[in-house]
Amino acid sequence: EVQLVQSGAEVKKSGESLRISCKGSGYDFPNYWIAWVRQMPGKSLEWMGTIFPGDSDTRYNPSFQGQVTISADKSSSTVFLQWSSLRASDTAVYFCARRRNTATNSYYVDYWGQGTLVTVS
Amino acid sequence: SSELTQDPAVSVALGQTVTITCRGDSLARYSANWCQQKLGQAPVPVIFGKNNRPSGIPDRFSGSGSGATASLTVTGAQAEDEAVYYCYSRDSSGNHLVFGGGTKLTVL
Repeated sequence: EVQLVQSGAEVKKSGESLRISCKGSGYDFPNYWIAWVRQMPGKSLEWMGTIFPGDSDTRYNPSFQGQVTISADKSSSTVFLQWSSLRASDTAVYFCARRRNTATNSYYVDYWGQGTLVTVS
Repeated sequence: SSELTQDPAVSVALGQTVTITCRGDSLARYSANWCQQKLGQAPVPVIFGKNNRPSGIPDRFSGSGSGATASLTVTGAQAEDEAVYYCYSRDSSGNHLVFGGGTKLTVL
């Protein structure tokens, strides 16, 4: 069974650093892209970036480039989302999701993590 | 443009049919996908690649589309279908995923 299990909720202060994680299991982890998606309170979903754990090829949404760092550890089947200096505006739920390609090269998500609530005061 | 536009809310009587629409330039090139999100939960895929249902999704959910418009139809809506539905696709630039603003479906 494919699963993406995320780390638990975090409460941090502005200026602090943070790394949250997403552990994949039940599939060939290195060979599937993983995306991070932000959902601010009461808002829609926003794609932040995607990483291919096999070679750590990473693509960022320009809106998030420089604000976060996405990384992966193949040995532990885990993808990370990291901030060096949090802001109150980073308060949101963060989802990881497994991104797939269709035969016509469109993208879709077939599995989502349960979400990690990050609260920054 | 890298935006997808959805109506904020629609309602349907129990057992009736409802269509949720999504518009955006990226849909002319890439297939639309739909996910369902209930309050406090992670999104659940309901349609991918324009009209494919993941395993376990009831066949009352179907997708369609033409040009820059995609639709999600729920035929015979049930109380448990009440949720926010997001469309999304590959962005026109080719590197991103882009999401619509979501449509809140109320089943009366």
